[in-house]
Amino acid sequence: GQNIDQPTEMTATEGAIVQINCTYQTSGFNGLFWYQQHAGEAPTFLSYNVLDGLEEKGRFSSFLSRSKGYSYLLLKELQMKDSASYLCAVRPRGSQGNLIFGKGTKLSVKP
Amino acid sequence: DTEVTQTPKHLVMGMTNKKSLKCEQHMGHRAMYWYKQKAKKPPELMFVYSYEKLSINESVPSRFSPECPNSSLLNLHLHALQPEDSALYLCASSQLDTANTGELFFGEGSRLTVL
Repeated sequence: GQNIDQPTEMTATEGAIVQINCTYQTSGFNGLFWYQQHAGEAPTFLSYNVLDGLEEKGRFSSFLSRSKGYSYLLLKELQMKDSASYLCAVRPRGSQGNLIFGKGTKLSVKP
Repeated sequence: DTEVTQTPKHLVMGMTNKKSLKCEQHMGHRAMYWYKQKAKKPPELMFVYSYEKLSINESVPSRFSPECPNSSLLNLHLHALQPEDSALYLCASSQLDTANTGELFFGEGSRLTVL
């Protein structure tokens, strides 16, 4: 089975840095994804990790440790528009491309 | 074109109605998905089509009937739904070859209300 945990809510200040953690337990693993979802909108792809280490993409970085079943999403220079839910998702080994989503972390960015 | 288009955006139906949700993509993706998302919950997988064939059905009740007429289109036929089926229905597509990350591209969703 699959179990994905991430904090329910986080609050941060505009211009700051925030780290959203995700832990997972899966029977097989073939990649971890982070998605951003604004209220009432579709999830949009942010990052992908399949090997250990850090992937950087502009203000967003994502880290993966497969041995620890752990990932984080790092958001720098926070902007008000970053207020959204951030979904950690795992692609199980042998899947047909489908992802299993965590419950999401609702991030509120304050002025 | 990097879009997944879903229609209708909003749908209200009674428990005896028959309706359909439609999804279209022109990115050449050979996998298409239906997810269901309730308020403040993550998307939950319903169905997966790979190369136009149903490859995963996550024990979805038969009142939901998927159809993949061709590699660009995905439908979800709805019949005799219950009020608890009210949710946002998300369509997604992805590539299947291992040379790519295989991220899912989501449509804007169809918000369904069952009265």
